[in-house]
Amino acid sequence: EDKVVQSPLSLVVHEGDTVTLNCSYEVTNFRSLLWYKQEKKAPTFLFMLTSSGIEKKSGRLSSILDKKELFSILNITATQTGDSAVYLCAVEVTGNQFYFGTGTSLTVIP
Amino acid sequence: NAGVTQTPKFQVLKTGQSMTLQCAQDMNHEYMSWYRQDPGMGLRLIHYSVGAGITDQGEVPNGYNVSRSTTEDFPLRLLSAAPSQTSVYFCASSRDRGSYEQYFGPGTRLTVT
Repeated sequence: EDKVVQSPLSLVVHEGDTVTLNCSYEVTNFRSLLWYKQEKKAPTFLFMLTSSGIEKKSGRLSSILDKKELFSILNITATQTGDSAVYLCAVEVTGNQFYFGTGTSLTVIP
Repeated sequence: NAGVTQTPKFQVLKTGQSMTLQCAQDMNHEYMSWYRQDPGMGLRLIHYSVGAGITDQGEVPNGYNVSRSTTEDFPLRLLSAAPSQTSVYFCASSRDRGSYEQYFGPGTRLTVT
Protein backbone atom coordinates (compact mmCIF):
# COMPACT_ATOMS: atom_id res chain seq x y z
CA GLU A 1 0.00 0.00 0.00
CA ASP A 2 1.37 3.40 -0.99
CA LYS A 3 1.78 5.79 1.90
CA VAL A 4 3.24 9.17 2.77
CA VAL A 5 4.11 10.05 6.36
CA GLN A 6 4.89 13.53 7.63
CA SER A 7 6.50 14.52 10.88
CA PRO A 8 6.11 16.18 13.22
CA LEU A 9 2.32 16.43 13.24
CA SER A 10 2.55 19.90 14.72
CA LEU A 11 5.20 22.40 15.65
CA VAL A 12 5.19 25.68 17.57
CA VAL A 13 8.18 28.00 17.14
CA HIS A 14 9.08 31.62 17.74
CA GLU A 15 9.63 34.14 14.98
CA GLY A 16 13.16 33.91 13.66
CA ASP A 17 13.56 30.20 14.38
CA THR A 18 14.51 27.71 11.66
CA VAL A 19 12.28 24.67 11.19
CA THR A 20 12.67 21.39 9.34
CA LEU A 21 9.63 19.43 8.23
CA ASN A 22 9.95 15.80 7.22
CA CYS A 23 8.20 13.66 4.64
CA SER A 24 8.90 9.97 4.14
CA TYR A 25 7.22 7.76 1.61
CA GLU A 26 6.73 4.17 0.57
CA VAL A 27 5.26 3.99 -2.91
CA THR A 28 5.66 1.98 -6.06
CA ASN A 29 6.53 3.77 -9.29
CA PHE A 30 7.59 7.11 -7.80
CA ARG A 31 7.45 10.07 -10.19
CA SER A 32 7.75 13.20 -8.07
CA LEU A 33 7.32 14.68 -4.61
CA LEU A 34 5.52 17.94 -4.05
CA TRP A 35 5.18 20.34 -1.14
CA TYR A 36 2.13 22.53 -0.57
CA LYS A 37 1.23 25.21 1.97
CA GLN A 38 -2.34 25.25 3.23
CA GLU A 39 -3.67 28.18 5.17
CA LYS A 40 -7.36 28.14 6.04
CA LYS A 41 -8.28 27.44 2.44
CA ALA A 42 -6.93 25.61 -0.60
CA PRO A 43 -3.37 24.26 -0.77
CA THR A 44 -0.89 26.34 -2.72
CA PHE A 45 2.09 24.83 -4.51
CA LEU A 46 5.59 25.32 -3.11
CA PHE A 47 8.01 22.85 -4.74
CA MET A 48 8.21 19.84 -6.98
CA LEU A 49 11.17 17.49 -6.60
CA THR A 50 12.11 14.66 -8.92
CA SER A 51 15.85 14.20 -8.50
CA SER A 52 17.86 13.34 -5.40
CA GLY A 53 20.23 15.87 -3.91
CA ILE A 54 19.10 18.92 -5.87
CA GLU A 55 17.90 21.64 -3.54
CA LYS A 56 14.98 23.78 -4.57
CA LYS A 57 14.84 27.26 -3.00
CA SER A 58 12.29 29.99 -2.85
CA GLY A 59 13.18 32.83 -0.52
CA ARG A 60 13.43 31.46 3.00
CA LEU A 61 12.04 28.05 1.98
CA SER A 62 14.10 25.21 0.61
CA SER A 63 13.56 21.53 0.00
CA ILE A 64 15.56 18.49 -0.95
CA LEU A 65 14.77 14.91 -1.89
CA ASP A 66 16.60 11.68 -1.07
CA LYS A 67 15.29 8.92 -3.34
CA LYS A 68 17.56 6.31 -1.82
CA GLU A 69 16.29 6.83 1.73
CA LEU A 70 12.79 7.77 0.50
CA PHE A 71 12.33 11.10 2.21
CA SER A 72 12.25 14.82 1.69
CA ILE A 73 12.71 17.78 4.01
CA LEU A 74 11.30 21.27 3.85
CA ASN A 75 13.34 23.94 5.61
CA ILE A 76 12.06 27.34 6.59
CA THR A 77 14.62 29.82 7.90
CA ALA A 78 13.93 33.01 9.85
CA THR A 79 10.29 32.04 10.32
CA GLN A 80 7.59 34.70 10.31
CA THR A 81 4.01 34.63 11.58
CA GLY A 82 2.88 34.44 7.94
CA ASP A 83 4.52 31.03 7.71
CA SER A 84 1.88 29.63 10.08
CA ALA A 85 0.01 27.00 8.05
CA VAL A 86 -0.31 23.30 7.41
CA TYR A 87 2.44 22.02 5.15
CA LEU A 88 1.45 19.09 2.95
CA CYS A 89 3.70 16.62 1.21
CA ALA A 90 2.40 14.65 -1.77
CA VAL A 91 3.91 11.93 -3.91
CA GLU A 92 2.91 11.29 -7.49
CA VAL A 93 3.14 7.75 -8.80
CA THR A 94 2.83 6.49 -12.32
CA GLY A 95 -0.70 6.79 -13.57
CA ASN A 96 -1.41 10.30 -12.33
CA GLN A 97 -2.20 9.18 -8.79
CA PHE A 98 -1.23 11.47 -5.94
CA TYR A 99 -0.83 10.42 -2.31
CA PHE A 100 -0.80 13.10 0.37
CA GLY A 101 0.53 12.99 3.89
CA THR A 102 -1.59 14.24 6.77
CA GLY A 103 0.42 17.44 7.00
CA THR A 104 2.51 19.29 9.58
CA SER A 105 0.79 22.15 11.34
CA LEU A 106 3.25 24.98 11.93
CA THR A 107 2.49 27.82 14.32
CA VAL A 108 4.90 30.75 14.50
CA ILE A 109 4.56 32.88 17.63
CA PRO A 110 5.61 36.54 17.50
CA ASN B 1 -8.36 34.31 -14.92
CA ALA B 2 -10.66 33.03 -12.21
CA GLY B 3 -8.49 29.91 -11.82
CA VAL B 4 -10.34 26.94 -10.33
CA THR B 5 -13.83 27.65 -9.06
CA GLN B 6 -16.07 25.39 -7.01
CA THR B 7 -19.73 25.64 -6.09
CA PRO B 8 -21.32 25.49 -3.64
CA LYS B 9 -19.03 26.59 -0.79
CA PHE B 10 -21.17 24.83 1.81
CA GLN B 11 -23.83 22.15 1.58
CA VAL B 12 -25.88 20.12 4.03
CA LEU B 13 -27.50 16.93 2.78
CA LYS B 14 -29.66 14.28 4.34
CA THR B 15 -28.60 10.64 4.08
CA GLY B 16 -29.68 9.21 0.75
CA GLN B 17 -29.89 12.51 -1.12
CA SER B 18 -27.87 13.05 -4.25
CA MET B 19 -26.09 16.16 -5.42
CA THR B 20 -23.42 17.44 -7.78
CA LEU B 21 -20.40 19.48 -6.75
CA GLN B 22 -19.34 21.77 -9.54
CA CYS B 23 -15.77 22.49 -10.58
CA ALA B 24 -14.58 24.67 -13.43
CA GLN B 25 -11.23 26.03 -14.56
CA ASP B 26 -10.41 28.65 -17.16
CA MET B 27 -6.72 27.85 -17.63
CA ASN B 28 -7.21 25.27 -20.40
CA HIS B 29 -5.76 22.60 -18.13
CA GLU B 30 -5.96 19.01 -19.29
CA TYR B 31 -5.61 17.33 -15.89
CA MET B 32 -8.36 17.76 -13.29
CA SER B 33 -8.98 15.92 -10.07
CA TRP B 34 -11.17 15.71 -6.99
CA TYR B 35 -9.91 15.22 -3.44
CA ARG B 36 -11.54 14.94 -0.09
CA GLN B 37 -9.85 16.19 3.05
CA ASP B 38 -10.72 14.71 6.44
CA PRO B 39 -9.11 15.47 9.80
CA GLY B 40 -6.13 13.22 10.39
CA MET B 41 -6.40 11.70 6.92
CA GLY B 42 -4.85 14.28 4.63
CA LEU B 43 -6.05 14.76 1.07
CA ARG B 44 -7.27 11.63 -0.70
CA LEU B 45 -7.79 11.39 -4.44
CA ILE B 46 -11.33 10.45 -5.46
CA HIS B 47 -11.32 10.65 -9.27
CA TYR B 48 -9.21 12.32 -11.90
CA SER B 49 -9.30 13.14 -15.60
CA VAL B 50 -6.45 13.58 -18.07
CA GLY B 51 -8.64 15.22 -20.68
CA ALA B 52 -12.17 15.63 -21.97
CA GLY B 53 -13.90 12.28 -22.19
CA ILE B 54 -11.31 10.46 -20.03
CA THR B 55 -11.76 9.78 -16.33
CA ASP B 56 -10.27 7.31 -13.88
CA GLN B 57 -10.56 6.29 -10.26
CA GLY B 58 -8.32 7.48 -7.49
CA GLU B 59 -7.78 6.11 -4.02
CA VAL B 60 -11.35 6.48 -2.68
CA PRO B 61 -13.85 6.44 -5.60
CA ASN B 62 -16.76 4.53 -4.04
CA GLY B 63 -19.99 6.51 -3.82
CA TYR B 64 -18.86 9.13 -6.34
CA ASN B 65 -19.22 9.54 -10.10
CA VAL B 66 -17.51 11.97 -12.44
CA SER B 67 -17.67 12.93 -16.09
CA ARG B 68 -15.60 15.26 -18.25
CA SER B 69 -17.54 16.44 -21.27
CA THR B 70 -15.51 19.64 -21.68
CA THR B 71 -11.97 20.71 -20.82
CA GLU B 72 -13.30 23.35 -18.42
CA ASP B 73 -15.75 21.40 -16.24
CA PHE B 74 -15.34 18.39 -13.98
CA PRO B 75 -18.42 17.80 -11.79
CA LEU B 76 -18.45 15.32 -8.93
CA ARG B 77 -21.72 13.50 -8.24
CA LEU B 78 -22.69 11.95 -4.95
CA LEU B 79 -25.18 9.23 -5.81
CA SER B 80 -26.68 8.55 -2.38
CA ALA B 81 -25.07 10.63 0.34
CA ALA B 82 -23.85 8.94 3.51
CA PRO B 83 -22.54 10.47 6.76
CA SER B 84 -19.11 9.03 5.89
CA GLN B 85 -19.01 11.48 2.99
CA THR B 86 -18.99 14.46 5.32
CA SER B 87 -15.77 16.18 4.33
CA VAL B 88 -14.18 19.12 2.60
CA TYR B 89 -13.91 18.54 -1.15
CA PHE B 90 -11.24 20.16 -3.30
CA CYS B 91 -11.05 20.24 -7.05
CA ALA B 92 -7.63 20.76 -8.64
CA SER B 93 -6.22 21.17 -12.12
CA SER B 94 -2.84 21.21 -13.82
CA ARG B 95 -1.63 21.88 -17.33
CA ASP B 96 -1.03 18.30 -18.40
CA ARG B 97 0.31 14.98 -17.23
CA GLY B 98 3.84 16.33 -17.11
CA SER B 99 2.96 19.45 -15.15
CA TYR B 100 2.62 18.70 -11.48
CA GLU B 101 1.82 22.15 -10.16
CA GLN B 102 -1.79 21.58 -9.27
CA TYR B 103 -4.00 24.59 -8.70
CA PHE B 104 -6.69 23.98 -6.10
CA GLY B 105 -10.17 25.42 -5.88
CA PRO B 106 -11.44 27.00 -2.64
CA GLY B 107 -13.22 23.85 -1.50
CA THR B 108 -16.75 22.72 -0.71
CA ARG B 109 -17.61 21.84 2.88
CA LEU B 110 -20.21 19.07 2.80
CA THR B 111 -22.12 17.78 5.80
CA VAL B 112 -24.33 14.70 5.53
CA THR B 113 -26.77 14.20 8.41
